[in-house]
Amino acid sequence: KQEVTQIPAALSVPEGENLVLNCSFTDSAIYNLQWFRQDPGKGLTSLLLIQSSQREQTSGRLNASLDKSSGRSTLYIAASQPGDSATYLCAVEEDSSYKLIFGSGTRLLVRP
Amino acid sequence: GAVVSQHPSRVICKSGTSVKIECRSLDFQATTMFWYRQFPKQSLMLMATSNEGSKATYEQGVEKDKFLINHASLTLSTLTVTSAHPEDSSFYICSARGEREYYEQYFGPGTRLTVT
Repeated sequence: KQEVTQIPAALSVPEGENLVLNCSFTDSAIYNLQWFRQDPGKGLTSLLLIQSSQREQTSGRLNASLDKSSGRSTLYIAASQPGDSATYLCAVEEDSSYKLIFGSGTRLLVRP
Repeated sequence: GAVVSQHPSRVICKSGTSVKIECRSLDFQATTMFWYRQFPKQSLMLMATSNEGSKATYEQGVEKDKFLINHASLTLSTLTVTSAHPEDSSFYICSARGEREYYEQYFGPGTRLTVT
């Protein structure tokens, strides 16, 4: 059974700092991996999707990497801003089933 | 980008009543829709997978007679919580998967259900 773990559970950093969020999964047979952002009481916003054949994706200040064989992904946020404060969720889409298995998330607070 | 809407955004109902939540893909055809449930400060748990024109597939532990799912068209899926109880109070989120590049899932804004 696929399990997705995110470390750390919570993170508080001063504005401007670069930071890394970690995601690990137990079964490497994945179709893709997605990083999402969730603001309190809101739905999910997709940040980056990495296909299983890819190693990284970039969007603005965000960079996500994928090491499928070791079951790991990282989300790198450069020059963090208070507006980046949110919960970041990692999810893997299981091969052929299209189901998304979510990690428990990292709650990020960027202090002004 | 692809947009998924949910209605209502919030609903309060009395114990024993039924509540219907709609999930719509606004600018693409969604062959598959998913329903998730999220408890406070917890992650999303998949409840069921809904394919247009066929019966939904429920995850283990989810009561299909309590959570009725209908995917009548390529743009609409509904979740009906029947005979709601306070323990059904939660945040329900749908997602839709279309025939786009990379087959991303696009999420709705969620529905906060409170059963009194």
